[in-house]
Amino acid sequence: DQQVKQNSPSLSVQEGRISILNCDYTNSMFDYFLWYKKYPAEGPTFLISISSIKDKNEDGRFTVFLNKSAKHLSLHIVPSQPGDSAVYFCAASGRSSMEYGNKLVFGAGTILRVKS
Amino acid sequence: DAGITQSPRHKVTETGTPVTLRCHQTENHRYMYWYRQDPGHGLRLIHYSYGVKDTDKGEVSDGYSVSRSKTEDFLLTLESATSSQTSVYFCAISLNRVETQYFGPGTRLLVL
Repeated sequence: DQQVKQNSPSLSVQEGRISILNCDYTNSMFDYFLWYKKYPAEGPTFLISISSIKDKNEDGRFTVFLNKSAKHLSLHIVPSQPGDSAVYFCAASGRSSMEYGNKLVFGAGTILRVKS
Repeated sequence: DAGITQSPRHKVTETGTPVTLRCHQTENHRYMYWYRQDPGHGLRLIHYSYGVKDTDKGEVSDGYSVSRSKTEDFLLTLESATSSQTSVYFCAISLNRVETQYFGPGTRLLVL
């Protein structure tokens, strides 16, 4: 039973346009969410995070939105660049939970292709 | 980039043989983790360590054991490798319990 779901296995976007990657979660204990980016043959690299006390966090071209009532978060990349082509993983943890505090639960990932 | 190395980077082994993967960090982070990545599953936690000689199980720990005798090294052992353990293995570190985890470059393991 997947607690973190990324329902789109892949996404293709034109360079310069917006990329929107989505993630849903089911566990109410999750209160901290992260996005990681992964290139082939490399480890995941941390991109951006958001705490459940916020509904938006921005870092340059990357913005993460959190809708707690819908248990949904999204990552917006504007403008998209060819170098953004990678696999994006959504991850969740429950920092205030003894069970989940330091454990990340990952989604299956979304492959983003940015076409030039 | 966090100073995390994994060795070997690639390994081919046969069913039933023991395999040990090593994760080495130069950041003096307290927490270390082992994940496996498989298609359709993302990354799943195998075991983690919260200090020297302190370890605990993750989501998919069956068939794996770990050891941490020094802050900088975290070893993952497959006592008797099976084909279902063919995967890409990632080590991660974090400064403390709730800080962001940073990942190593991965080890690709093929069990024939």
